[in-house]
This record gives sequence, structure tokens and C-alpha cells, in this order.
Amino acid sequence: DTGVSQNPRHKITKRGQNVTFRCDPISEHNRLYWYRQTLGQGPEFLTYFQNEAQLEKSRLLSDRFSAERPKGSFSTLEIQRTEQGDSAMYLCASSAPGGHEQYFGPGTRLTVT
Amino acid sequence: GESVGLHLPTLSVQEGDNSIINCAYSNSASDYFIWYKQESGKGPQFIIDIRSNMDKRQGQRVTVLLNKTVKHLSLQIAATQPGDSAVYFCAENRSGGSNYKLTFGKGTLLTVNP
Repeated sequence: DTGVSQNPRHKITKRGQNVTFRCDPISEHNRLYWYRQTLGQGPEFLTYFQNEAQLEKSRLLSDRFSAERPKGSFSTLEIQRTEQGDSAMYLCASSAPGGHEQYFGPGTRLTVT
Repeated sequence: GESVGLHLPTLSVQEGDNSIINCAYSNSASDYFIWYKQESGKGPQFIIDIRSNMDKRQGQRVTVLLNKTVKHLSLQIAATQPGDSAVYFCAENRSGGSNYKLTFGKGTLLTVNP
């Protein structure tokens, strides 16, 4: 499968713990995006990278959230001191150079208890 | 503000009928629109896109119509099948400058009855 992959698919954690998610984009896609989706809503933009540079961050991305893409390939999204309100599906997408179509991965469902 | 919304939260059709899913957007600067299909427990799946210099684009069994005058977008699915049952989202993107983020609406749940 050459699509976008995300790991883990599901994560249950206790409030206050730190969690990290990984996204592997489609090979040779230079842009990578993170979105968050809560039940019944459309995905909301969090941040995006062009190669290794993080070019935009949403106001939704509080200082407890950090994203990296150190080598311009895979990306990680870390949430520190998780809160119950962080429970959501975290989606990753990628797009090719010059392309606007964003292809999404299956998401990581986070449950904070 | 920047927002994309949908007229109907749910749509129920009979198998074989045509489906029309509507979307309104408010940002006049939007110049690129995308429809996604999302099945339960999965990420959004790209269906079709359209640029603002077009008013119609056709794919396999799907057609997207864009009316910039009233800021309205629609997705037409021909001969709807049970496998089309999912939530459909429209999203907008301003391709100018460095802003590539997508802004999604709330989605329409399409149910196809056999």
C-alpha cells in the first residue's frame, strides 16, 4: 500500500500523559498536513509542512502540541499533558509538488480518560 | 469569515437514484474546491475537485457544479449504490500564496437504501 499511513490507529491514554503520533506520507509528496476531527464535524486544520519547514500553525495548536518533520519525510505530532478535550481523530494528509489534492491517511483515534 | 457549510446534514436515497449534495461557501477568495467521501472509521477519500475558473467538472459517476455568483457547490452522484453510503464533505482551499490548508464543512450523511 503506497498511501498515507498513520500509527498507531488507536491510542487510549490517561489525562496528563504525553502521546506521540506518526505519519508517513505518500512517497515524494513534499507537503504534509495535520488535521483534527471530532465526532460529527469536518476535519480542522492544525498545521502543515513543506519539506521539513513548518509553514503554518492553527490557533487550535496550543503550546501543548508540537509537530516535527525533521527529514522532510515522516512527521510526528506530540501532545503533552493530554486533556479530555484532546480526544479526537488526528488525520494526516500529503500532497505532491504543484498539486492541491490532499490524500488522507486512516487517522489516529485518541481517547483521553 | 472563512467557512464552508452544508445545506443538509442527511440525505437518504434509493439505490439507482441520483444524489445531489449541496455546499455553500462564504469566502470569495476561495479558488479551489474539493469533495471528499468519508466512511466510518476511515480517513477522507478524495472524490473530485474543481477550480474557480470552471463551473462544471465530471468524473466517473460524479459531477461537481460550481456557482460562484451565489457561492454554491454541489456534488451529483449518478445511479447511487449502497457503497456510496458515507459522509460527504466539501472543502475549500485558497491556492494563492502559501496557504494550502483545507477548510471543511460539517458534512452530509448519505444513506443509500437497497
